[in-house]
Amino acid sequence: NAGVTQTPKFRVLKTGQSMTLLCAQDMNHEYMYWYRQDPGMGLRLIHYSVGEGTTAKGEVPDGYNVSRLKKQNFLLGLESAAPSQTSVYFCATKHRQSYEQYFGPGTRLTVT
Amino acid sequence: GDSVTQMEGPVTLSEEAFLTINCTYTATGYPSLFWYVQYPGEGLQLLLKATKADDKGSNKGFEATYRKETTSFHLEKGSVQVSDSAVYFCALSDQGGYSTLTFGKGTMLLVSP
Repeated sequence: NAGVTQTPKFRVLKTGQSMTLLCAQDMNHEYMYWYRQDPGMGLRLIHYSVGEGTTAKGEVPDGYNVSRLKKQNFLLGLESAAPSQTSVYFCATKHRQSYEQYFGPGTRLTVT
Repeated sequence: GDSVTQMEGPVTLSEEAFLTINCTYTATGYPSLFWYVQYPGEGLQLLLKATKADDKGSNKGFEATYRKETTSFHLEKGSVQVSDSAVYFCALSDQGGYSTLTFGKGTMLLVSP
């Protein structure tokens, strides 16, 4: 079992470019989350999904969009990247009857 | 809204020293409380949890007790090892159906031989 995987691991974008981050899980978990981690800020929730075809906004959703077309995948999109979106992005998943979130290894994104 | 405050780091200790990392929270209702650990270059892993007042979570020699009266969930370990060097995050989960997590800013622990 791969658990939670994230693609890509690293990426450098220029301001205004777009990209999509992919989170994939093979644990059959219903809930999936996207967080960003910034120095001295901890992790902050961007968007989350409680099932296929459903998404909701978290604490810092502006500038991001998400889609959950398949249960095992959760995509995070940046339509027009800004330097303020330079961060490490983590995906997490959770079974709906469990407390524990399982995290992916992260994607380090730099916007110049 | 909900919030978590934890002590700033880095915390620097010698091997076999006693560890305390303070965590306090503000929340409506009765949240569940967690400690997550992040080793260098990796994602977060759940270290321990407590789901109601007076519960004690424990794992790998680490312990934390859910204290509702002081809204605290301090992490302790009696004897740290070099391999415990990592960033530790305190977090709370709302009681709603989606269990979103609110994290503290993290505390870096550095243990020297």
